[in-house]
Amino acid sequence: AQKITQTQPGMFVQEKEAVTLDCTYDTSDPSYGLFWYKQPSSGEMIFLIYQGSYDQQNATEGRYSLNFQKARKSANLVISASQLGDSAMYFCAMREGGNYGQNFVFGPGTRLSVLP
Amino acid sequence: EAGVVQSPRYKIIEKKQPVAFWCNPISGHNTLYWYRQNLGQGPELLIRYENEEAVDDSQLPKDRFSAERLKGVDSTLKIQPAELGDSAVYLCATQGVRDEQFFGPGTRLTVL
Repeated sequence: AQKITQTQPGMFVQEKEAVTLDCTYDTSDPSYGLFWYKQPSSGEMIFLIYQGSYDQQNATEGRYSLNFQKARKSANLVISASQLGDSAMYFCAMREGGNYGQNFVFGPGTRLSVLP
Repeated sequence: EAGVVQSPRYKIIEKKQPVAFWCNPISGHNTLYWYRQNLGQGPELLIRYENEEAVDDSQLPKDRFSAERLKGVDSTLKIQPAELGDSAVYLCATQGVRDEQFFGPGTRLTVL
């Protein structure tokens, strides 16, 4: 079974608008971490934002925020005020287990295209 | 601070040839990962190191793939012999203080 599901293969958004990229996860471990990465066409994977399973508040990093709904096992990425440079692949990932250094599982990704 | 360094960036070989990829992690990062990323997909773990110890190599195709991390710093991933299906991007990553991963630029392997 897929541990990370990203149901949107591709998304379009108008420049300056907000966009939500969906991510659902599957784990029975009470301690886990959720991550979002951006991969532009250059190929480099860039860390965007992190949410721990015990965090009470949704994580925010500049224009990025994570809409964490634990009961629904979803961790959607919200990008506010989209910019042309946001066009890229976006991957949701999960680290299971409470110990530092556990393995990560990545979703299939969503390709975001920002339109001028 | 320098990021994760990988070389070569690109490699083209014929099938059945050997190939090796090198990774230099961020200084002080003890956990190192090798991933394979096929076109249009997310990265898939091949092996994870804690210092010089391979703590998870369950996804590594051991009949043709091998890896080492001498002295717990640089790491090398080798394929011998390469097959057509090995064409992919091979990513090295190390782990930061918040468990986030820092990725290198990757090595794009093409097997002809």
